[in-house]
Amino acid sequence: AQSVSQHNHHVILSEAASLELGCNYSYGGTVNLFWYVQYPGQHLQLLLKYFSGDPLVKGIKGFEAEFIKSKFSFNLRKPSVQWSDTAEYFCAVVMDSNYQLIWGAGTKLIIKP
Amino acid sequence: EAEVAQSPRYKITEKSQAVAFWCDPISGHATLYWYRQILGQGPELLVQFQDESVVDDSQLPKDRFSAERLKGVDSTLKIQPAELGDSAMYLCASSLRSGVTMNTEAFFGQGTRLTVV
Repeated sequence: AQSVSQHNHHVILSEAASLELGCNYSYGGTVNLFWYVQYPGQHLQLLLKYFSGDPLVKGIKGFEAEFIKSKFSFNLRKPSVQWSDTAEYFCAVVMDSNYQLIWGAGTKLIIKP
Repeated sequence: EAEVAQSPRYKITEKSQAVAFWCDPISGHATLYWYRQILGQGPELLVQFQDESVVDDSQLPKDRFSAERLKGVDSTLKIQPAELGDSAMYLCASSLRSGVTMNTEAFFGQGTRLTVV
């Protein structure tokens, strides 16, 4: 079955630390890839997306993600996190088999000031 | 900036009662999704519409849940009767996706937080 895996359910970092959140999917066809963020008490917002072209994608607030097709991965990175990055991060994938948006379970990120 | 509108924001209902949620997608968006999000988990797709047609309702508990998008614009999700386990955030999202391209993202509403007591 098609699925999306996020490796860490909870991540705790200090301010200025570097961040990498893992995302892997299981599908061999064409995909669109997304990272969404949900700040406490707010709705899901798009952080960045990959459709085609340069596999290194830059999003809002200094986030970036790299699509590595051979590894079926789309990891999210930020070189230096801030306290305001405390949120839940979701990886999501659209697969060209059925256009359904498949979600990972999410990673709760807590940044200690 | 265009937004997906949902109402109500919060709903408390007694078990066995009926409850309904409303969603108005971004104008021009052909695809509409209803998701359920339980605390600590990712969104779970309940139903996906393409215009007025249901394209995926495989995860919708059809004995108690129903969804419609009669004119292909706004949509209603109903639960009857509500059960304690239905307490969750119900999210509506829309995208331009028309079936001929998948290169669009989904935009989410604020959600309706349902508490069944």
